Amino acid sequence: DTAVSQTPKYLVTQMGNDKSIKCEQNLGHDTMYWYKQDSKKFLKIMFSYNNKELIINETVPNRFSPKSPDKAHLNLHINSLELGDSAVYFCASSHGQGTEQYFGPGTRLTVT
Amino acid sequence: GENVEQHPSTLSVQEGDSAVIKCTYSDSASNYFPWYKQELGKGPQLIIDIRSNVGEKKDQRIAVTLNKTAKHFSLHITETQPEDSAVYFCAASGNSGGSNYKLTFGKGTLLTVNP
Repeated sequence: DTAVSQTPKYLVTQMGNDKSIKCEQNLGHDTMYWYKQDSKKFLKIMFSYNNKELIINETVPNRFSPKSPDKAHLNLHINSLELGDSAVYFCASSHGQGTEQYFGPGTRLTVT
Repeated sequence: GENVEQHPSTLSVQEGDSAVIKCTYSDSASNYFPWYKQELGKGPQLIIDIRSNVGEKKDQRIAVTLNKTAKHFSLHITETQPEDSAVYFCAASGNSGGSNYKLTFGKGTLLTVNP
């Protein structure tokens, strides 16, 4: 059973389009995250939700809008995609804050 | 905010040798230090972690040490095997100033174990 799953795994789109990435966890965790990993493998947190409430927003452009319909899901919607948005996006979850985070397999976004 | 430095950026060892990766952090309030292994095309996988009330933790061939005074922590892998080849990330987390916990990652170490 996959603990943290993301769809799609690959996403190729053109500049200016709007796209969404979905994340689901079946671990019963109450905290979920979105990370961006750039071409140099640098991992940086974008957002964190605890019990469906936004608790971390790391100066991400407002073209990025996370949505958490329930504790098990955290989706990421991106408007007006730019070339610089090309990266691998990882979802993660944890039980509370300051505890082990479990990562999904990632979504490789390519903007052309 | 927290800043995590990780060295070396690349490390090549012979199978059976030990590998050591070192990290330093800047925020003395950080109290949780996980290590992640990322294989090609996959998400980071937690391999070991340590909290600030512990100086050392071991799990089979993997160990982590923490020096809170010097603000550095290290990953030690003994008897390396080719399947240990991956990118390893250290991270630090804490609620500095009462802010929410946030994992800050080092820039990663590409470990290559040569058969």
